[in-house]
Amino acid sequence: EVQLVESGGGLVKLGGSLRLSCVASGLTFSDAYMSWVRQAPGKGLEWVGRIRGKGDGQTTEYAEPVKGRFTISRDDSKNTVYLQINSLETEDTAVYYCTTRGIFWGQGTLVTVSS
Amino acid sequence: EIVLTQSPGTLSLSPGERATLSCRASQSVGNGQLAWYQRKPGQAPRLLIYGASNRATGIPDRFSGSGFGTDFTLTISRLEPEDFAVYYCHQYATSQTFGQGTKVEIK
Repeated sequence: EVQLVESGGGLVKLGGSLRLSCVASGLTFSDAYMSWVRQAPGKGLEWVGRIRGKGDGQTTEYAEPVKGRFTISRDDSKNTVYLQINSLETEDTAVYYCTTRGIFWGQGTLVTVSS
Repeated sequence: EIVLTQSPGTLSLSPGERATLSCRASQSVGNGQLAWYQRKPGQAPRLLIYGASNRATGIPDRFSGSGFGTDFTLTISRLEPEDFAVYYCHQYATSQTFGQGTKVEIK
């Protein structure tokens, strides 16, 4: 059974930084494309970015609104994907989910940016 | 960036009725790389349809997807009580984006 568990969310000040983690189990992690999706309060789903698997060079791509502030990385030895968020804005307040193939999702981790 | 516009925003229907949800893209979605998700409060998104018309594993056949280019449709042939939820379309052809969602509520 595939499981994804996010962590690292919390209350952060405007302009601060945060690193979210997502630990995966039950799949061949090094091959998996891993994405981050967020949902702000009262809003819809928003795709944040993705990192490809080892066979595809672990390359990344990002949604336009977060380019330059968000960085996705992975450590295949730990079955973990990370989302580094810098220069946090109030609009970054959301629940952040990791997902693979759109089929398996974590439970989400809440990031709240305070001014 | 491909912008996806879903309509209507809210659909009020009774169990047993047919639901037709629309997703229009600002530019052509290559290779029909469009998916539909169901979202219920407190639950992870559930993949229903991928590749515009392919049902994901375990999805009942009352759910069907169609369309190509810029116009896509999710149809629920007969609404069951558990189908009342928010539905999102999602394109993964050019980067990735979600539509804003359609809420299917009980009339």
